[in-house]
Amino acid sequence: GESVGLHLPTLSVQEGDNSIINCAYSNSASDYFIWYKQESGKGPQFIIDIRSNMDKRQGQRVTVLLNKTVKHLSLQIAATQPGDSAVYFCAERDTGRRALTFGSGTRLQVQP
Amino acid sequence: GAGVSQSPSNKVTEKGKDVELRCDPISGHTALYWYRQSLGQGLEFLIYFQGNSAPDKSGLPSDRFSAERTGGSVSTLTIQRTQQEDSAVYLCASSYADSPLHFGNGTRLTVT
Repeated sequence: GESVGLHLPTLSVQEGDNSIINCAYSNSASDYFIWYKQESGKGPQFIIDIRSNMDKRQGQRVTVLLNKTVKHLSLQIAATQPGDSAVYFCAERDTGRRALTFGSGTRLQVQP
Repeated sequence: GAGVSQSPSNKVTEKGKDVELRCDPISGHTALYWYRQSLGQGLEFLIYFQGNSAPDKSGLPSDRFSAERTGGSVSTLTIQRTQQEDSAVYLCASSYADSPLHFGNGTRLTVT
């Protein structure tokens, strides 16, 4: 998949630092949220998901936070590594349909 | 096990020609999705298949686009009379029940 975006917002962090990638959504009817990582030339890869009845979920080195009041989703990556460099997409799903709606993406650059 | 497989990985075609893109989903996955990703953009939903239900075609941009899923497995996305604005990466994903979508690596379509 094409993940090269000339005008994507970019977050640049030092190796070992924590990264926080933010996403705003607008649909109050969304009940499921998910983060994907996309490396150049590949399709999106699942990272972590969260349902609307939760406000936090943790995985390995990643945490997703959901604030339904302000319709905000964030992905936290602990001890960021060079292999984390990629474009990250948030996506949401409306209760009435199955397809995911994707955000425009954020490029994460990890400096060694 | 094997992931979602898409073919061809790259396709160059002349404006006005028809193209067919193929997707082999993960075995046992009942849902299949097609998305389109233009340069520097997020993923745009095209069509969704779930079992024997009527597909959700709400994302197809024009009547030049169609898709079918035979035997509940392999899917083909057809674009008739291709235009330059059809140039993009076409991504296929599959899922089972409420599991996250698993994406293939896409077909990069270039219309000259």
